[in-house]
Amino acid sequence: NAGVTQTPKFRVLKTGQSMTLLCAQDMNHEYMYWYRQDPGMGLRLIHYSVGEGTTAKGEVPDGYNVSRLKKQNFLLGLESAAPSQTSVYFCASSFIAGGHYNEQFFGPGTRLTVL
Amino acid sequence: KNEVEQSPQNLTAQEGEFITINCSYSVGISALHWLQQHPGGGIVSLFMLSSGKKKHGRLIATINIQEKHSSLHITASHPRDSAVYICAVMYSGGGADGLTFGKGTHLIIQP
Repeated sequence: NAGVTQTPKFRVLKTGQSMTLLCAQDMNHEYMYWYRQDPGMGLRLIHYSVGEGTTAKGEVPDGYNVSRLKKQNFLLGLESAAPSQTSVYFCASSFIAGGHYNEQFFGPGTRLTVL
Repeated sequence: KNEVEQSPQNLTAQEGEFITINCSYSVGISALHWLQQHPGGGIVSLFMLSSGKKKHGRLIATINIQEKHSSLHITASHPRDSAVYICAVMYSGGGADGLTFGKGTHLIIQP
């Protein structure tokens, strides 16, 4: 099993450009998450999904859109990139067992720089 | 949003020392997670606990629900333990979005 994978690993954008980050998991998890990690701050939730075809906003959703057309994939889009979106982006997946949320499995991260 | 506080923020120790990292939170939780992040690397889940104590190799995690406090201990520390350790909690009644993360403790173990 590959676990959680992210594409690409690195990207440099110019202000105003758009891009899509892809997250894929092969563990059949229902829940998927996109976080951003910035220096001096904890991980912050951007958007999440509790199943195929569903998405919801997290703590810092502005400037991002997401889609979950297939259970194994969770896409994060930046329509018009801004320097404030320079960050490391992590995808994670998780599942419920016995009525309880379980640990989250993280991807390797995508380092995005917006000039 | 409810806070998760970690201490210390930075810790440098010598190889072999016993390490303690602390995490405190403000209201009732359903679970607490300890995560490890190596420099430039991904994030790995170490423990998830809701009561008592868990041990995995040289790592021990404890939680005191009444005091709203958890500790991560590393015995016989080694340079490969150098990483950022992150505490995260799911507050009681939290849904799928419920994890709140601390800012992390940056640990350096010198040989």
